[in-house]
Amino acid sequence: DQQVKQNSPSLSVQEGRISILNCDYTNSMFDYFLWYKKYPAEGPTFLISISSIKDKNEDGRFTVFLNKSAKHLSLHIVPSQPGDSAVYFCAASAYDYKLSFGAGTTVTVRA
Amino acid sequence: NAGVMQNPRHLVRRRGQEARLRCSPMKGHSHVYWYRQLPEEGLKFMVYLQKENIIDESGMPKERFSAEFPKEGPSILRIQQVVRGDSAAYFCASSLGASGTFGDEQYFGPGTRLTVT
Repeated sequence: DQQVKQNSPSLSVQEGRISILNCDYTNSMFDYFLWYKKYPAEGPTFLISISSIKDKNEDGRFTVFLNKSAKHLSLHIVPSQPGDSAVYFCAASAYDYKLSFGAGTTVTVRA
Repeated sequence: NAGVMQNPRHLVRRRGQEARLRCSPMKGHSHVYWYRQLPEEGLKFMVYLQKENIIDESGMPKERFSAEFPKEGPSILRIQQVVRGDSAAYFCASSLGASGTFGDEQYFGPGTRLTVT
């Protein structure tokens, strides 16, 4: 039972443009959301998070938006850089240690 | 400042054998989590341990799987009598405190890819 879904398995974007990654969740108990980035042969690395009391959190080129009523969150990367090419995982928790992950979106940034 | 270390990185076992996966948390971290990633799926929580204690094993299959985090040494995930369906990437994560509400993020190791032939 996939409680966190990333419906786009891949995304290709031109360098300098915006990357938008989407994530949907079904469990209304989730109130803490995270994005992780993963390079091949490495573990996921924490990128940015957002609490359910907020609808936006920004950190440099990365911004996460949360729409609780739609149970939807998105990650914006502006501008996209070649080093951003990786797999991005959306994760959620009910404010505890059990993270539920989506299947990931592979981002390729074209020069 | 070494991160979370896992070994082996790749493990091949025949059906019926035992698999032992090791995880050394980041220095100073006393909370360890194991996740499993099946092909085409996201990581799924298996077990949460602190030193010498299993805190939550609700994500562990009831049979053949066990985990420990002894006072000294790495955390071990043990899979007895492996079957083809156990083939997956197993990730270990560690945190300074109990992850979540207190804001401690989980730091992941590179994973162990288990292949059962």
